[in-house]
Amino acid sequence: QVQLQQWGAGLLKPSETLSLTCTVYGGSFSAYYWSWIRQPPGKGLEWIGEINHSGSTNYNPSLKSRVTISVDTSRNQFSLRLSSVTATDTAVYYCTRGGWGYKLDYWGQGTLVTVSS
Amino acid sequence: EIVLTQSPGTLSLSPGERATLSCRASQSVSSSYLAWYQQKPGQAPRLLLYGASSRATGIPDRFSGSGSGTDFTLTISRLEPEDFAVYYCQQYGSSPRTFGQGTKVEIK
Repeated sequence: QVQLQQWGAGLLKPSETLSLTCTVYGGSFSAYYWSWIRQPPGKGLEWIGEINHSGSTNYNPSLKSRVTISVDTSRNQFSLRLSSVTATDTAVYYCTRGGWGYKLDYWGQGTLVTVSS
Repeated sequence: EIVLTQSPGTLSLSPGERATLSCRASQSVSSSYLAWYQQKPGQAPRLLLYGASSRATGIPDRFSGSGSGTDFTLTISRLEPEDFAVYYCQQYGSSPRTFGQGTKVEIK
């Protein structure tokens, strides 16, 4: 059974950097893309970006200048960094399995990140 | 960027009724890389359908999907109490991957 467990800081000040990590348990880590999705309170889902085991990434153009997704295959982990956050980055952030050409079939539990001074 | 437009925004139905949700794409979705997700309050989305019409593991057969190109449909044949939720479509064939804005299925 595949499980994704994510963690990271839940409260940030404006201009700080959001940092989240997701560990994958079970299944093949190298066979898939791995994605980050976010959802502002009361709103819909937004794709942030994806990475595969070799480090190939794709990002949402709307966030590309501030986003870095990285991978650590030795730990079956992938991470999200979003710089210069503002209140509009307040959202629940999810890590997921899937991306290019593959559905998002397993999701982490979500992390609420609040940006407030 | 492929824009996905879902309709209606809200669907008010009673248990046992049939629900038909639409997802229209601004450009053709390659290889039917179209998925549907269900989300309940406080929970992560759950994959229902992928490849436009294939059910994910454990999804009951009252959920079905159809369509290709730019027009896709999610049908719930007979609504159960646990089916009242928000449903999102997503295309995962072109970058950026995009989601529809969601359709809320509420109890009438």
